[in-house]
Amino acid sequence: DAKTTQPTSMDCAEGRAANLPCNHSTISGNEYVYWYRQIHSQGPQYIIHGLKNNETNEMASLIITEDRKSSTLILPHATLRDTAVYYCIVRNQAGTALIFGKGTTLSVSS
Amino acid sequence: GAVVSQHPSWVICKSGTSVKIECRSLDFQATTMFWYRQFPKQSLMLMATSNEGSKATYEQGVEKDKFLINHASLTLSTLTVTSAHPEDSSFYICSARDLGTSGPNEQFFGPGTRLTVL
Repeated sequence: DAKTTQPTSMDCAEGRAANLPCNHSTISGNEYVYWYRQIHSQGPQYIIHGLKNNETNEMASLIITEDRKSSTLILPHATLRDTAVYYCIVRNQAGTALIFGKGTTLSVSS
Repeated sequence: GAVVSQHPSWVICKSGTSVKIECRSLDFQATTMFWYRQFPKQSLMLMATSNEGSKATYEQGVEKDKFLINHASLTLSTLTVTSAHPEDSSFYICSARDLGTSGPNEQFFGPGTRLTVL
């Protein structure tokens, strides 16, 4: 599976949009981009995933560049409860385990 | 959505004892379950993959005789930490693959078990 690179940490003001970048320049054509987050001392929580097109759900939006070498997770109106570690994962085959990198620690403050 | 539970949520044990952690898929069948370990301020590290009715596949560096995994049914996998020592203290997280989901998002995580070995 392709490797991902994320900033170590980011800050965001409550109510503002949080834009979390992820670089996956070695991604191959059949690999999906997944985003999970982990709130302190809890299991990872699925946020969103995509292949080529931009995706949106009730939690977030995922913007994937045309060349698929990078993506951005957007939390449109961050709240204090969105403070967590956000993981960007690339995986090429359903059924194999998700492999976690170091992720981005997002701190939302009032 | 698919729910995965773990029991216990936390456990404290003495050095040298064995501890069993259960992982259950509550509303779906899981042919495959994954076990992760997470040390403080670190990311999740995959320990092993277990398939129902067969032996688990362990990642490099994980001792299979120390971390016994049993996946006897489509809804239950257990991880037993044998002869636990303080360095085994960690947050153990399981995830399960939903047999009935055909799409690419089919892995669901449990809430984790905090193990402290004194």
